[in-house]
Amino acid sequence: DSGVTQTPKHLITATGQRVTLRCSPRSGDLSVYWYQQSLDQGLQFLIQYYNGEERAKGNILERFSAQQFPDLHSELNLSSLELGDSALYFCASGGAGANVLTFGAGSRLTVL
Amino acid sequence: SQQGEEDPQALSIQEGENATMNCSYKTSINNLQWYRQNSGRGLVHLILIRSNEREKHSGRLRVTLDTSKKSSSLLITASRAADTASYFCATGYSGGYQKVTFGIGTKLQVIP
Repeated sequence: DSGVTQTPKHLITATGQRVTLRCSPRSGDLSVYWYQQSLDQGLQFLIQYYNGEERAKGNILERFSAQQFPDLHSELNLSSLELGDSALYFCASGGAGANVLTFGAGSRLTVL
Repeated sequence: SQQGEEDPQALSIQEGENATMNCSYKTSINNLQWYRQNSGRGLVHLILIRSNEREKHSGRLRVTLDTSKKSSSLLITASRAADTASYFCATGYSGGYQKVTFGIGTKLQVIP
């Protein structure tokens, strides 16, 4: 157990639907990062939050949004889902110092 | 776009041999990290090397960093079947915030 909790582990939904992925960072970590990994691909950086504030944005689609709450957990909202959104979505948390990240086990999204 | 690019994309070796993976990146960094990912699971941090360091060791891992060439290499000595995984380099830098960007990974297969 890495200390980063992601729910749900698996999610199957239909095109056009909306889902919410949840992440609880490791105790003491203030940063949350979201990444998307499609089949046999690298990790695409989506967005980063630090202590509730958005700090960096990557290749995040307009249909996707995220936030970090006062208790530091984060949610990634994916709407108007398309087949191509099927992927593993990872959350990672980091401390205030070096950029070492602790990853969750991921949420596997399948859009049918 | 990806910051780092690993090379080769795939590597197959016999158990006991050494495995070398390379990473190139584009912009100035504070540090470079290597992570490992077993199939479909979250990434696990292996080692971090700072921009003012040239070489670092951790068990069977040896990492080098050449900031003039913007490249790094990861050497795994005396490989084991359990080392079979994908290996990613990640660059960390601060530009008012911390951001960690991953390459596409090297898929290593160690044949028993």
